[in-house]
Amino acid sequence: DVKVTQSSRYLVKRTGEKVFLECVQDMDHENMFWYRQDPGLGLRLIYFSYDVKMKEKGDIPEGYSVSREKKERFSLILESASTNQTSMYLCASSNRESHQPQHFGDGTRLSIL
Amino acid sequence: RKEVEQDPGPFNVPEGATVAFNCTYSNSASQSFFWYRQDCRKEPKLLMSVYSSGNEDGRFTAQLNRASQYISLLIRDSKLSDSATYLCVVRGPGAGGTSYGKLTFGQGTILTVHP
Repeated sequence: DVKVTQSSRYLVKRTGEKVFLECVQDMDHENMFWYRQDPGLGLRLIYFSYDVKMKEKGDIPEGYSVSREKKERFSLILESASTNQTSMYLCASSNRESHQPQHFGDGTRLSIL
Repeated sequence: RKEVEQDPGPFNVPEGATVAFNCTYSNSASQSFFWYRQDCRKEPKLLMSVYSSGNEDGRFTAQLNRASQYISLLIRDSKLSDSATYLCVVRGPGAGGTSYGKLTFGQGTILTVHP
């Protein structure tokens, strides 16, 4: 079974803090993704990476950055957290082939106060 | 027009009922299609991929109509445990000749199965 592990289930931070969300997958997948999910808006792609040190902007990259130094790990960084970044953050990974689905981690519920 | 559009429901059905969800997508170059299930406050989990010829997995049947850009999911003999949000997911074409296209999620259809 694919295992995608996110470092925290719940996180509370203050406005202006730098926040790191970590994601690790154990299936040697090339592709990794960060989404946020908000009521009424569904899942929206923030960033994705298709190889080590490679990254691509998703639909809503503003206020975020990412890091992929190792194949199994994909980090999402909130440079200066704001209250509108309070959300559920979901990491996913997939094989390179286009027909392969993405597998999700448990999610991190982040609150910015 | 949204890239992936679903009826949000909610659908409230009794146990044993048959229920069908529909989904339309706007990009005719979309490559692959999936149904995910998401339980309350949990992560989305793959329910099934959707193949051009249609496919079945137990009580679940998925259909794809590329000409109409339409995907469906049929659930027969509904169980209480089928209560969840069902997400229609479409993979777009890869960029720059690559094979990995972005996934776009519908907002989900809420299903509640009651005794």
